[in-house]
Amino acid sequence: KNEVEQSPQNLTAQEGEFITINCSYSVGISALHWLQQHPGGGIVSLFMLSSGKKKHGRLIATINIQEKHSSLHITASHPRDSAVYICAVTGNQFYFGTGTSLTVIP
Amino acid sequence: DSGVTQTPKHLITATGQRVTLRCSPRSGDLSVYWYQQSLDQGLQFLIQYYNGEERAKGNILERFSAQQFPDLHSELNLSSLELGDSALYFCASSVARGPNYGYTFGSGTRLTVV
Repeated sequence: KNEVEQSPQNLTAQEGEFITINCSYSVGISALHWLQQHPGGGIVSLFMLSSGKKKHGRLIATINIQEKHSSLHITASHPRDSAVYICAVTGNQFYFGTGTSLTVIP
Repeated sequence: DSGVTQTPKHLITATGQRVTLRCSPRSGDLSVYWYQQSLDQGLQFLIQYYNGEERAKGNILERFSAQQFPDLHSELNLSSLELGDSALYFCASSVARGPNYGYTFGSGTRLTVV
């Protein structure tokens, strides 16, 4: 069983759509991270959350500690948002989800 | 440019060989983290150094070792290489000792073992 589960694994959206990617975890954590990996392979850290909600531009990340669940929302999606989004949690150890591959079609 | 520099970008080597991957953290960051990303295992945490000292250890094989030097750059040494070690190796840096701060990732080293 994976300590971090993401859904969906793959997602295709039309430009402008609202997108939600979900992350559930089964271990105690002190923080949750959302990472973005572009087709070239580079990884960018989008958010680090320990509670509540954070917003950066069109991206919003929320976490519910009691339910052990986080969501990443993208509003007004754009083809440049096409990437793999990875959820990671930190606590006693580091655990990574397998990623959600997002394709936004113009 | 993220400020974290990894060299080399690509490396092709034969089984049984030894390689060294290098990471220079972003200016002012004291922590360096190493990760391995393979097709079948996804991203895995290997090891963390903070200001020259090993801070946390993950799924790092005994054939692998790392260190952080006084100038804060870090090296990941991989020895007795096997085909399964082929992967992308990322380092990331952070200003803090603990894991609950933002990270900046390097662009990775793609290792191919043939």
